[in-house]
Amino acid sequence: GEDVEQSLFLSVREGDSSVINCTYTDSSSTYLYWYKQEPGAGLQLLTYIFSNMDMKQDQRLTVLLNKKDKHLSLRIADTQTGDSAIYFCAGSDSWGKLQFGAGTQVVVTP
Amino acid sequence: NAGVTQTPKFQVLKTGQSMTLQCAQDMNHEYMSWYRQDPGMGLRLIHYSVGAGITDQGEVPNGYNVSRSTTEDFPLRLLSAAPSQTSVYFCASRPTSGEQFFGPGTRLTVL
Repeated sequence: GEDVEQSLFLSVREGDSSVINCTYTDSSSTYLYWYKQEPGAGLQLLTYIFSNMDMKQDQRLTVLLNKKDKHLSLRIADTQTGDSAIYFCAGSDSWGKLQFGAGTQVVVTP
Repeated sequence: NAGVTQTPKFQVLKTGQSMTLQCAQDMNHEYMSWYRQDPGMGLRLIHYSVGAGITDQGEVPNGYNVSRSTTEDFPLRLLSAAPSQTSVYFCASRPTSGEQFFGPGTRLTVL
């Protein structure tokens, strides 16, 4: 099965909070990343967390890491229409090799 | 800093042709890697490098070669293009710890 799993779709109303979830199997992941991809564009690094941290907050973004359950989440506060995109989580080993989930399509409705 | 740059942005090849996708970074990052993205999928690792002169295979290396003669450059060579190599190719770089950045991608079509 997939080493990194994400739900495929999330619909959220403008102004609400979005929570995107990710589970991974490789416990040796040293960094866990969240990337945003808009149609036809490259991957924009949103945030990342080192594996010995539980939480990281960066403006509207909050990352939570539960190492015991191998669960990572990204919360976006006050979601805006510009947040509509595909969001990828990825785990990195110590050599920088990334394993990606298939991506979560987030649609923000007015 | 220009970050991670890739050329060309778009390329159309005929089956059997060869070409090199260029990737460069100006951040003095040790780690560089190549990924391909196919529709509806996450990215898959083709090859990676942990420093000049050191490369290794990723998940889907067949049909691709790499070399790393300098810290800045990490070209990806397609030896004999096949339609199955139609994809979007992304190069990434990272220091030995922390943020990992991607280039803008090369969209390759093989006819």
